[in-house]
Amino acid sequence: AQSVSQHNHHVILSEAASLELGCNYSYGGTVNLFWYVQYPGQHLQLLLKYFSGDPLVKGIKGFEAEFIKSKFSFNLRKPSVQWSDTAEYFCAVYGQNFVFGPGTRLSVLP
Amino acid sequence: EADIYQTPRYLVIGTGKKITLECSQTMGHDKMYWYQQDPGMELHLIHYSYGVNSTEKGDLSSESTVSRIRTEHFPLTLESARPSHTSQYLCASSEFGQTTYEQYFGPGTRLTVT
Repeated sequence: AQSVSQHNHHVILSEAASLELGCNYSYGGTVNLFWYVQYPGQHLQLLLKYFSGDPLVKGIKGFEAEFIKSKFSFNLRKPSVQWSDTAEYFCAVYGQNFVFGPGTRLSVLP
Repeated sequence: EADIYQTPRYLVIGTGKKITLECSQTMGHDKMYWYQQDPGMELHLIHYSYGVNSTEKGDLSSESTVSRIRTEHFPLTLESARPSHTSQYLCASSEFGQTTYEQYFGPGTRLTVT
């Protein structure tokens, strides 16, 4: 069965710090990978996605993620976070089904 | 503008009432989904549909039912609401094909059952 895990439940950073949120999945076949963000009181929005090709994908607002097939990972990164990045971040995988991870809450202190 | 809509945004009702949460999308997507999400928690898939007259149960057992009579409309119904149904309900849609499976989400309906 497919599953998605995210390494951290809650991450607290100061502005300008670098961010890396871990995501691992279990599925043996071809996958499509996504990171979604949910700002307080707002819709879930797509940050970035990987379907094929270059394993380093760039998304909106300076975010990027790297697909490492051998590690079944799709970690999200941003070199310098801002207070406005405070949100809940969800990793999602489409293999056999669309499965979301449990989410990581990011709090950025001004 | 293509979008996905949910109504109502907030609902407070008493135990035993029947309610229908509405979801409509104007993107022409075949596949639609309902998720349940408690505050700060993960999303749980409760229903999905591949297209008109198709409905499937998701991973999380739910006492709700859905229907898909029109492509753009995917309402969720609770015949008799209980306090345990208090949660946020998110509707989403996606294309159904070989090239893209990205989901687009509505704003959600926050349901409180007293």
